[in-house]
Amino acid sequence: QSVLTQPPSVSGAPGQRVTISCTGSSSNIGAGYDVHWYQQLPGTAPKLLMYDNSSRPSGVPDRFSGSKSDTSASLAITGLQAEDEADYYCQSYDNSLSGWVFGGGTKLTVL
Amino acid sequence: EVQLLESGGGSVQPGGSLRLSCAASGFTFRNYAMSWVRQAPGKGLEWVSTISTTGGTTYYAESVKGRFTISRDNSKTTMYLQMNSVKAEDTAVYYCSKGRGAPRNWYFDLWGRGTLVTVSS
Repeated sequence: QSVLTQPPSVSGAPGQRVTISCTGSSSNIGAGYDVHWYQQLPGTAPKLLMYDNSSRPSGVPDRFSGSKSDTSASLAITGLQAEDEADYYCQSYDNSLSGWVFGGGTKLTVL
Repeated sequence: EVQLLESGGGSVQPGGSLRLSCAASGFTFRNYAMSWVRQAPGKGLEWVSTISTTGGTTYYAESVKGRFTISRDNSKTTMYLQMNSVKAEDTAVYYCSKGRGAPRNWYFDLWGRGTLVTVSS
């Protein structure tokens, strides 16, 4: 059971928009800690996709956007492409656990 | 080229020990906190441990506290994870990662390819 809750899977057709939610609590996201997102393509290491809630590292397309509100955060992907098919993880800090925590991960399928 | 390269993984019996290494290159290693993150087969990511730039402060997940020790040698641009009293549930790919951002709001902006640790009798 992950401290941050994500839907196990989401799907969408090419060109569509999908969102992935990340729900936390008052000891992590709700405490004001930033949320970061990672993309893990099949068989590869995770890659930073979004940091500080809504900032994109260099090289990440602007089809990806992030937001945070209260005790949750969301990652939105517009103009879905086949290459976006991957696992996505949110991450934050939890002051009850005194450590960094990940969501359980969401598998994105491009139909 | 900016990269992290893990080594030292392999098979170990329950109760045994293993030492993982992470060699960094292409950036000023001493300026960044470093972390280990693991992923059990078919499972999600789990933060394991983080070490500050000087090595003076370390953080551990409850699941490994008292059994694992993180360290670094800035002169060799290398980070280590000493794993003692390993359990079956420690079986995972262990990733080395570089930290960015403000403390507690750290994120992992560079990852190695990982090294597989298998705990089995």
